Amino acid sequence: DGGITQSPKYLFRKEGQNVTLSCEQNLNHDAMYWYRQDPGQGLRLIYYSQIVNDFQKGDIAEGYSVSREKKESFPLTVTSAQKNPTAFYLCASSIRTSGADEQFFGPGTRLTVL
Amino acid sequence: GDSVTQMEGPVTLSEEAFLTINCTYTATGYPSLFWYVQYPGEGLQLLLKATKADDKGSNKGFEATYRKETTSFHLEKGSVQVSDSAVYFCALSWSQGAQKLVFGQGTRLTINP
Repeated sequence: DGGITQSPKYLFRKEGQNVTLSCEQNLNHDAMYWYRQDPGQGLRLIYYSQIVNDFQKGDIAEGYSVSREKKESFPLTVTSAQKNPTAFYLCASSIRTSGADEQFFGPGTRLTVL
Repeated sequence: GDSVTQMEGPVTLSEEAFLTINCTYTATGYPSLFWYVQYPGEGLQLLLKATKADDKGSNKGFEATYRKETTSFHLEKGSVQVSDSAVYFCALSWSQGAQKLVFGQGTRLTINP
């Protein structure tokens, strides 16, 4: 089955540690996205990538980093510079890089920083 | 900047009741509009969309009409089921340039049997 996988589902880290969240898609989509979801709030865009080896900052990129070395993979690193990293992180992809195409979402990773 | 505002939740209804979740947007021009649904513990799924004024999106008994006069995209369903319990997000994006979704804050819907 085609889709987006995120791992792990739950992640616990100590304050001050960097952590990398995995996102893989086998939909052959060009564009990939990372969103952050906080309780009672909508999703906010962290980073997005329209093509391999290229990515752009979203609305809340500070304290995060990404890479896009392969079309299928778009890992997100939450660095120690992120002031409030505890949140639910969602990865998404879309077939094209523009237009009103559907974005397909993974199941999410819930990160808790202790 | 662009923004989306949804009615405050949570919303609790009885099975077979009529549902309306309000959504209004602020944007320069005419974006594409979406409703996404998030079931407990899962990612989001596209429910319906409309790409131009007066378009009606529909899926699974849900409908929403793109009203440019009122900058609205209200979600409706005539008879809700327990399985419709979820969080519903209204969102907009642009057809030109990178597709960046701007989301409303979400409305939690609970349907009681």
